[in-house]
Amino acid sequence: DIRMTQSPSTLSASVGDRVTITCRASQVVNPWLAWYQQKPGKAPKLLISQASILETGVPSRFSGSGSGTEFTLTIDSLQPDDFATYFCQQYSSYPLNFGGGTKVDMK
Amino acid sequence: EEKLVESGGGLVQPGGSLRLSCVGTGFTFTSYWMSWVRQAPGKGLEWVANIKQDGRAKFYVDSVKGRFTISRDNTEKSVHLQMDSLRADDTAVYFCVRNKLTGDRGRSHFASWGPGTLVSVST
Repeated sequence: DIRMTQSPSTLSASVGDRVTITCRASQVVNPWLAWYQQKPGKAPKLLISQASILETGVPSRFSGSGSGTEFTLTIDSLQPDDFATYFCQQYSSYPLNFGGGTKVDMK
Repeated sequence: EEKLVESGGGLVQPGGSLRLSCVGTGFTFTSYWMSWVRQAPGKGLEWVANIKQDGRAKFYVDSVKGRFTISRDNTEKSVHLQMDSLRADDTAVYFCVRNKLTGDRGRSHFASWGPGTLVSVST
């Protein structure tokens, strides 16, 4: 199984900050890496596919990068609507594992 | 508008059974693999199972193999999860999800999610 490790688990930030979340895979998953945003009590929302492809309708302040086993999600100029938990997911092989999540909260 | 709606969650005793259902509308149901993903209270996401468009291929996470069975009815645009021999650690919100990718590749990320249904396993 491919293990997905996110860091940090919690990130305190302010509106306008640039935020970076890291996701590491225990094996190469390139390019099969997705990022999701989840708000309390809601289903996750797909943000990024194939490590760097922004989904339609997702603000351009979100970006994804990386390859192989190390990936990042960056939010440029954090907005109030961005306070949420973010998950990465590999879809290179079964089981389709998620990272443990990164909660972005208000500093 | 694309929509996934789950039903069938509830409280069940350890060792009991439950059948979850999900109806998908607003998209071509027969074009996609469908999955179930769960989230224990306050925890992360865990993919549980998926099923191919024609129902002939199914994959499961190890922790549910032999206990859970995924199925689908394309005429009803529905997918089901039969859960037997339930354990306390199966307690979670169960999401019905549509694969992002079409075609034969079942290993995919998830484009569309239902609101989830809560399964609680407890005495």
